[in-house]
Amino acid sequence: AQRVTQPEKLLSVFKGAPVELKCNYSYSGSPELFWYVQYSRQRLQLLLRHISRESIKGFTADLNKGETSFHLKKPFAQEEDSAMYYCASRGRNFNKFYFGSGTKLNVKP
Amino acid sequence: ETGVTQTPRHLVMGMTNKKSLKCEQHLGHNAMYWYKQSAKKPLELMFVYSLEERVENNSVPSRFSPECPNSSHLFLHLHTLQPEDSALYLCASSQTGGDEKLFFGSGTQLSVL
Repeated sequence: AQRVTQPEKLLSVFKGAPVELKCNYSYSGSPELFWYVQYSRQRLQLLLRHISRESIKGFTADLNKGETSFHLKKPFAQEEDSAMYYCASRGRNFNKFYFGSGTKLNVKP
Repeated sequence: ETGVTQTPRHLVMGMTNKKSLKCEQHLGHNAMYWYKQSAKKPLELMFVYSLEERVENNSVPSRFSPECPNSSHLFLHLHTLQPEDSALYLCASSQTGGDEKLFFGSGTQLSVL
């Protein structure tokens, strides 16, 4: 079965500091990887996915197949980035999305 | 209303009650999902319906019974639940073969007494 691991439950950084949210996956094939975000009092929503190779709100994530990682990075964190971040994977059965346990990012002023 | 709507937002039930959670999506998607979100645990995929057929039952106890009468509606029927079933139940939808990303509802916060 697929597994997505987010080792950090909480990550606190100061505004302007770089941030990296870690995500590792276990899947022998070629999964699709996603980052979802949940801001306070809002619903869970897609932030970005690896196939798009996009930067959303200054965040980027690179799929590293050698390390089976998909870490989320931002060079300069903002207070409005404070939220819960979930890494997710989707394998061959395209209807099955698997999520990690989430990392709470707290950006301090 | 657009998006994915879940009702009720909160539900408190006893272990002998029977209740149902409702999800409705207005996005024209062809796949719908139930996820369970417990404190400090990953979102757990419970059920997947694609084109109104159940394609995934992720070892969920039989006290949870899903129903998908059409591509826009999804129900989760609950009976004889246990206190450990207390959690946030999230509904999501996606378009298989299309954008594929999940759109989530706000969830139903369930408390089993």
